[in-house]
Amino acid sequence: DIQMTQSPSTLSASVGDRVTITCRASQAIKSWLAWYQQRPGQAPKVLIYAASSLQSGVPPRFSGGGSGTEFTLTITNLQPEDFATYYCQQYNSFSSLTFGGGTKVEIK
Amino acid sequence: QVALKESGPVLLKATETLTVTCAVSGFSLSNAETGVTWIRQPPGKAPEWLAHIFFPKDEKYYTASLKTRLSISRDTSKSQVVLRMTHMDPVDTATYYCARIHNGPSGGWIDSWGQRTLVIV
Repeated sequence: DIQMTQSPSTLSASVGDRVTITCRASQAIKSWLAWYQQRPGQAPKVLIYAASSLQSGVPPRFSGGGSGTEFTLTITNLQPEDFATYYCQQYNSFSSLTFGGGTKVEIK
Repeated sequence: QVALKESGPVLLKATETLTVTCAVSGFSLSNAETGVTWIRQPPGKAPEWLAHIFFPKDEKYYTASLKTRLSISRDTSKSQVVLRMTHMDPVDTATYYCARIHNGPSGGWIDSWGQRTLVIV
């Protein structure tokens, strides 16, 4: 199975900050990567798919980049509702989907 | 509007079989562009993919570590997808989600999630 490693595991930031989360794959996955946001007590919500495509309805302050084995999720002008946990997910093969361990964005 | 709703037992005893049902609306279980996937999330941990089924040929995929315990099926007439997991153990305690997953060459990402169901063993 492809392993996904996210860093950092926790990130402290303030409203208005720009933050970047990194996700590394144990082997190349082209651009088959999605990013999800999960608020406490809620289901995850897709933000980005195909590494850099913004899902409909998601604010443009969210952006994704990368390909191969290294990917990033960047949030510019952090808003109060953005304090949540973020997960990456690879989908290089339908027979094996894997999620990263998560990055919790906390209020500084 | 796409919606998914899980239903099933909250409490199970060890060795019992879990049966959870996902009722979908807003999309068809005959649509080749999407499928239904099951994902679980233990308390405080990351999501873990379990299985999915794609339509209309019922192509099924299971996570390797649980393959012998899992079974996924659909009932098109009822717009439902059912997941069964045998030999439940306390380590299987988690929130279980069904979700809509994209099919095709660029598929594999999830665009809609169910409301979740908590299963305690």
